[in-house]
Amino acid sequence: QQQVKQSPQSLIVQKGGISIINCAYENTAFDYFPWYQQFPGKGPALLIAIRPDVSEKKEGRFTISFNKSAKQFSLHIMDSQPGDSATYFCAASMGTGNTPLVFGKGTRLSVIA
Amino acid sequence: GAVVSQHPSRVICKSGTSVKIECRSLDFQATTMFWYRQFPKQSLMLMATSNEGSKATYEQGVEKDKFLINHASLTLSTLTVTSAHPEDSSFYICSARPTFWSYNEQFFGPGTRLTVL
Repeated sequence: QQQVKQSPQSLIVQKGGISIINCAYENTAFDYFPWYQQFPGKGPALLIAIRPDVSEKKEGRFTISFNKSAKQFSLHIMDSQPGDSATYFCAASMGTGNTPLVFGKGTRLSVIA
Repeated sequence: GAVVSQHPSRVICKSGTSVKIECRSLDFQATTMFWYRQFPKQSLMLMATSNEGSKATYEQGVEKDKFLINHASLTLSTLTVTSAHPEDSSFYICSARPTFWSYNEQFFGPGTRLTVL
């Protein structure tokens, strides 16, 4: 199975709150899990990525949590700001090859003041 | 670092014409580049994988004679939409993987908005 399932489809969060987006995958060969942020009319930008040898990775306000046994990973955005309003995509791939990323369907995040 | 550019950013053409889109990795070499198309409010759909010096690998359902891909150097891949029709109107995005990076980090260009009249 190549699918990556992402939820929720859309999310509204108050300014200062925590945004949480979840993804689940099927293929146990996947070993690289990035998150991308995309603003309207722009290309996706790599936000943060994790490998399965760690359960959590934090960069600033962004944290990835990874649960290998459950085949799930999530993005947490702490202290969410209006400028974080964008579409977020999780993805997965087999890390060491020149293989395409398998993307989730995306989550549209709106952070309201 | 890891900047990818695309040109043009926006193109409007008449039905039946061909359009070429360039994807360049500006500060790294990329043996492999990928081409995607994206419809409004949808995820990225992989069209093809482009390897420098060899033929592209197309995803099922993507017409290779319509979407010509050339990856002639380690920093440039081109996508030519031949005999474009209105249904080809979309947002086309490329990504590039740095050749000597250890993991499958991919960096995306800013996209090209194609409108076929």
